[in-house]
Amino acid sequence: ETGVTQSPTHLIKTRGQQVTLRCSSQSGHNTVSWYQQALGQGPQFIFQYYREEENGRGNFPPRFSGLQFPNYSSELNVNALELDDSALYLCASSLGGGRVADTQYFGPGTRLTVL
Amino acid sequence: GQNIDQPTEMTATEGAIVQINCTYQTSGFNGLFWYQQHAGEAPTFLSYNVLDGLEEKGRFSSFLSRSKGYSYLLLKELQMKDSASYLCAVRWASGGSYIPTFGRGTSLIVHP
Repeated sequence: ETGVTQSPTHLIKTRGQQVTLRCSSQSGHNTVSWYQQALGQGPQFIFQYYREEENGRGNFPPRFSGLQFPNYSSELNVNALELDDSALYLCASSLGGGRVADTQYFGPGTRLTVL
Repeated sequence: GQNIDQPTEMTATEGAIVQINCTYQTSGFNGLFWYQQHAGEAPTFLSYNVLDGLEEKGRFSSFLSRSKGYSYLLLKELQMKDSASYLCAVRWASGGSYIPTFGRGTSLIVHP
């Protein structure tokens, strides 16, 4: 069984640029959730994708967008980067689209630094 | 709002027992998770409680009281490697969706 993987591990961008982060879900999982974790904080929910459709969204602006592919891997895109976007971005996979009680399993994260 | 409260930081001695508390809003409650997160790493799943009572898993146990909106994570026989942040995450039923909300985490420091 393959766990959740994310790429890249680290990324440095400048303000105003765009970034794409990638996530491969755990084998057999059809749901991917993205979280932003600032230093010293808990993960904040960005959005969730279930079977290629957005299934829920947290309090993040439209410049945060995503995509899920037929193999259930996912991308997080952030446009017009701001300094406050510097954080650890976590991807979590699960089975059930958030409609049933299931456990999320996290990838190692992507550390984004915006200068 | 869907508030989750847990202490910011705790310290304990190797070999001791520590209890990390978490309180949350009870309305719409649909399950509580505990995760462990070492610095710079992803959270790893520790336990899940949806019914009242104690769930034991090795050195770690988690307790839930739904009526009180209260949970705790109990760590026994502390080891240095237990130094980490412990995240309480609560799921509330909202429009058919069950996406968990995370607390800020409790940073546990284990001293020799």
